[in-house]
Amino acid sequence: KAGVTQTPRYLIKTRGQQVTLSCSPISGHRSVSWYQQTPGQGLQFLFEYFSETQRNKGNFPGRFSGRQFSNSRSEMNVSTLELGDSALYLCASSPLGGGYGYTFGSGTRLTVV
Amino acid sequence: AQTVTQSQPEMSVQEAETVTLSCTYDTSESDYYLFWYKQPPSRQMILVIRQEAYKQQNATENRFSVNFQKAAKSFSLKISDSQLGDAAMYFCASVTNTGTASKLTFGTGTRLQVTL
Repeated sequence: KAGVTQTPRYLIKTRGQQVTLSCSPISGHRSVSWYQQTPGQGLQFLFEYFSETQRNKGNFPGRFSGRQFSNSRSEMNVSTLELGDSALYLCASSPLGGGYGYTFGSGTRLTVV
Repeated sequence: AQTVTQSQPEMSVQEAETVTLSCTYDTSESDYYLFWYKQPPSRQMILVIRQEAYKQQNATENRFSVNFQKAAKSFSLKISDSQLGDAAMYFCASVTNTGTASKLTFGTGTRLQVTL
């Protein structure tokens, strides 16, 4: 059974650019969540998508957005990148969310220079 | 709102010994779940153990077990017979089971070192 796949693994972008990260969940999982991990702020929730609808959102500016496709694959986009956006972005998939538990991908390491 | 607190930034244990990682949480919900995740240098978060709040019995997974004290809102992880491969960051997390929206709330993590 394939796990959660995140692409790319590493990314270097310049301030002001935009970036799109991709996440393919485990087959059959309908919930996809995104988290930002930094040394200073730890793990912070970005948003959750369920059946193509965003059903929960964290406290991040509007520059952070996402979407989910009919096959449950998800993308997150960050526009007008800032140095502080440098982080490990983790995607997690779950059958239905909540207590069903979450399986994480290996993350995308984004560096903004 | 939920909060999760891990008060031990770093812990060290000798191989084959037992170590306990502490976690406290706060939530106003009655239906919630607690998790311990392990994050090795490979970065991938790996689920170690899961506990349903409505179950009084402590969860166990091989060498990993929890001490769940609901009244005290405490959820510690015990690792028995520690192995070198157990060295990693360990995160305690909680999630409410609202059925319509959910998010994991993580603690700040405990870095576990395993020595020979």
